[in-house]
Amino acid sequence: QVQLQESGPGLVKPSETLSLTCGVSGYSIGYYWGWIRQTPGKGLEWIGSIHDSGTTYYNPSLKSRVVMSGDTSKKQLSLKLSSVTAADTAVYYCARTRPGGSYPFDYWGQGTLVSVSS
Amino acid sequence: DIQMTQSPSSLSASVGDRVTITCQASQDISNFLNWYQQKPGKAPKLLIYDASNLETGVPSRFSGSGSGTHFTFTISSLQPEDIATYYCQQFDNLPLVTFGPGTKVDFK
Repeated sequence: QVQLQESGPGLVKPSETLSLTCGVSGYSIGYYWGWIRQTPGKGLEWIGSIHDSGTTYYNPSLKSRVVMSGDTSKKQLSLKLSSVTAADTAVYYCARTRPGGSYPFDYWGQGTLVSVSS
Repeated sequence: DIQMTQSPSSLSASVGDRVTITCQASQDISNFLNWYQQKPGKAPKLLIYDASNLETGVPSRFSGSGSGTHFTFTISSLQPEDIATYYCQQFDNLPLVTFGPGTKVDFK
């Protein structure tokens, strides 16, 4: 059974870097792992995905501020989003992407709320 | 960028009703379309993948169809536990993953 758990600060100051970790149990190789966020105003927004090989794919609208990485030995993923503003306040999810076809997000973490405020 | 629209944005129905939601893509995405259910305070849950394939463990009252730019999601007989928001999501080669704005389903 695959389980994902996001963790990180719930409050980040404007202009600082948001850093989140996603722990994965039931980890197996060959998958993509994605970060998605949800705001009341913009709904669900894909941030990016990382493959076990380390290849990353980022949403073009966030690409300049996003860095994703993975540690297969620790079964952890990380997300860094720099120069945050209030618009980055959202619930952040990590999710597994099943390869092939429409690459669906088949397992999700419970999500973690990150607020950007001074 | 591929834009996704959903209609309606919300709907009210009764237990046992047939519920249909449509999702439109701004360009051809073949069958690279997924449907998710999200209940308040919870993460989205995959229901349908590749436009029409039912995810393992998902009740058969849920179904999807369509290809190209027009897709349909149907609940054949609405149950109380189906009250949620439903999202479509397209995949058209990374880095192009976008979600629809959602359709909120509640009871009449």
